[in-house]
Amino acid sequence: EIVLTQSPATLSLSPGERATLSCRASQSVSSYLAWYQQKPGQAPRLLIYDASNRATGIPARFSGSGSGTDFTLTISSLEPEDFAVYYCQHRNNWPFTFGQGTRLEIK
Amino acid sequence: EVQLVESGGGLVQPGGSLSLSCSASGFTLRTNGMHWVRQAPGKGLEYVSGLSNNGGSTYYADSVKGRFTISRDNSKNTLYLQMSSLRAEDTAVYYCVKDRYGTVTGLFDYWGQGTLVTVSS
Repeated sequence: EIVLTQSPATLSLSPGERATLSCRASQSVSSYLAWYQQKPGQAPRLLIYDASNRATGIPARFSGSGSGTDFTLTISSLEPEDFAVYYCQHRNNWPFTFGQGTRLEIK
Repeated sequence: EVQLVESGGGLVQPGGSLSLSCSASGFTLRTNGMHWVRQAPGKGLEYVSGLSNNGGSTYYADSVKGRFTISRDNSKNTLYLQMSSLRAEDTAVYYCVKDRYGTVTGLFDYWGQGTLVTVSS
């Protein structure tokens, strides 16, 4: 089973700042990595799939990069609605697994 | 607009059974793989089970294998999860999730709002 490790666990930033979230896989997942956003009391929402493709309706301030074992989600300029928990997930092989999440909080 | 609405959650005793349903609209269920993902209170996301569009391929997490059964009725646009021999550690919000493709590819493009299952005496 591939283990995904996200860092940092918590990120404290202010609106307008740039956020950089990391996801590291215990072995290569090629480019089969996705990012999800989850707000309190809501279901997760797909942001980025296959490392760098924005899902439908996702603002351009969200971008993803990486391949193999190291991936990054970047939010170029934080909006108030971006403060949430972010999860990475791989689909390279079975079983699909999720990272433990990064909480992005307002500083 | 794609919508997934789960139902069937509730309180059940350890060792008991429960059946979850997911009603899909806005797309034709038979064209997509479907999944269940759960989230224990205050915890992260855990993949539970997946089923291909024609029902030919099924996947189960080791933690639920032999106890949970995923199925679908494409004529009713409904996905199911039959859960038995429930344990306290199965307590979670269960999300119905649509795969972007017909097979089980693990690309989760739409999620339902979830239904809470509580296993407790």
